[in-house]
Amino acid sequence: EAQVTQNPRYLITVTGKKLTVTCSQNMNHEYMSWYRQDPGLGLRQIYYSMNVEVTDKGDVPEGYKVSRKEKRNFPLILESPSPNQTSLYFCASSHHNPGGRMNTEAFFGQGTRLTVV
Amino acid sequence: GENVEQHPSTLSVQEGDSAVIKCTYSDSASNYFPWYKQELGKRPQLIIDIRSNVGEKKDQRIAVTLNKTAKHFSLHITETQPEDSAVYFCAASIKSGGSNYKLTFGKGTLLTVNP
Repeated sequence: EAQVTQNPRYLITVTGKKLTVTCSQNMNHEYMSWYRQDPGLGLRQIYYSMNVEVTDKGDVPEGYKVSRKEKRNFPLILESPSPNQTSLYFCASSHHNPGGRMNTEAFFGQGTRLTVV
Repeated sequence: GENVEQHPSTLSVQEGDSAVIKCTYSDSASNYFPWYKQELGKRPQLIIDIRSNVGEKKDQRIAVTLNKTAKHFSLHITETQPEDSAVYFCAASIKSGGSNYKLTFGKGTLLTVNP
């Protein structure tokens, strides 16, 4: 089954304790991205990746890191989480970047609800 | 930076009525405009999309219109049903350098269809 898988689904952590949220897709997609969803603010892009070893900042990258060593995986790293990073996080992937002529539909993972206390 | 404005933030309609959600964008290079539906506790899922070379697209009860000159696009849902109740997000491809684009979302519209 074609899918985007995030882990964990739920996480409660303490301020300053490094954590990683994993994202994996099995559709051989080139383009992957991370979003955070907060009430009243919609989906805001954190980082995106055009392909392996190619990443770039989205609209709210502060406090986050990403890596794209393999095509299928795009982990989100919080080196020193703070309470303002409490949010619902979504990973998404698509065959091509949103400006492409075709196959640009973004498929979302099931979400990770992170609470930082 | 480039952004996408979405209105209204909440919309309540009676079953069978039509619902319209509108979005505007600022990047004249935007060429892809998808709409996503997010049911409570679920992930966003694509319901319809339109490209800049097309003015209108329809899929059963759902249609999207695009006005490139005015930089706005709209989602139209006819004969609404209770299962249409969800949060709807519009999005636009925003040029981020060279041939790179990123997807920028509106803040969402909570649609409630009352039986």
